[in-house]
Amino acid sequence: EVQLVQSGAEVKKAGDFLKISCKGSGYSFNTYWVAWVRHKPGRGLEWMGRIYPGDSTTTYSPAFEGLVTMSADKANSTAYLQWSGLKASDTAFYYCVRGKHYYDLWGLGTLITVSS
Amino acid sequence: DIQMTQSPPSLSASIGDTVTITCRASQEIGNSLGWYQQKLGKAPKLLLFSASALDTGVPSRFSGSASGTDYTLTITGLQSEDFATYFCQQYHTTSALTFGGGTKVEIK
Repeated sequence: EVQLVQSGAEVKKAGDFLKISCKGSGYSFNTYWVAWVRHKPGRGLEWMGRIYPGDSTTTYSPAFEGLVTMSADKANSTAYLQWSGLKASDTAFYYCVRGKHYYDLWGLGTLITVSS
Repeated sequence: DIQMTQSPPSLSASIGDTVTITCRASQEIGNSLGWYQQKLGKAPKLLLFSASALDTGVPSRFSGSASGTDYTLTITGLQSEDFATYFCQQYHTTSALTFGGGTKVEIK
């Protein structure tokens, strides 16, 4: 089955490090871009950036540049999103999605809750 | 960033109705627009890309159109499985993609 499987929900404290994952299966993971999308409760979706697992080329949204790091392990068909120091304002759902411009495959999302 | 203003935020409709949802872009986006459907507790699903191209397997009752900076999703003959939230996404600016605020389609 073609799918993106995301890691489970996390509850963290402000300042914590966190790395969440997104594992692709059923397709050639290394030849499709993976993007990350944030969804805060009561707000619209926000595009964070994208990574090409084949060579780890990344493009960040200006709004998220320097705040998060995207990486990929092509041997394990997994993309990652990490924070070096979480903030309470990072509390949200995070989706990984397949595609460069529009997204034909979505993970179920990872809920991150950050307490101050 | 290009702003996508989606309307209405919600609507009530009956089975068999024709429903239209609109996204207005703050500037020209050249039909670089996708539409998605999200049901409660599920991952979003791509319906259309390039403003009017149906993704694989999407029923033909879904259609998209464009007029200037206004983009419309039309559902002709609403089915029970169509009650969901719909949102648009522009990808004209490829380093700053943006989404509409969403439209919740509810049963009247």
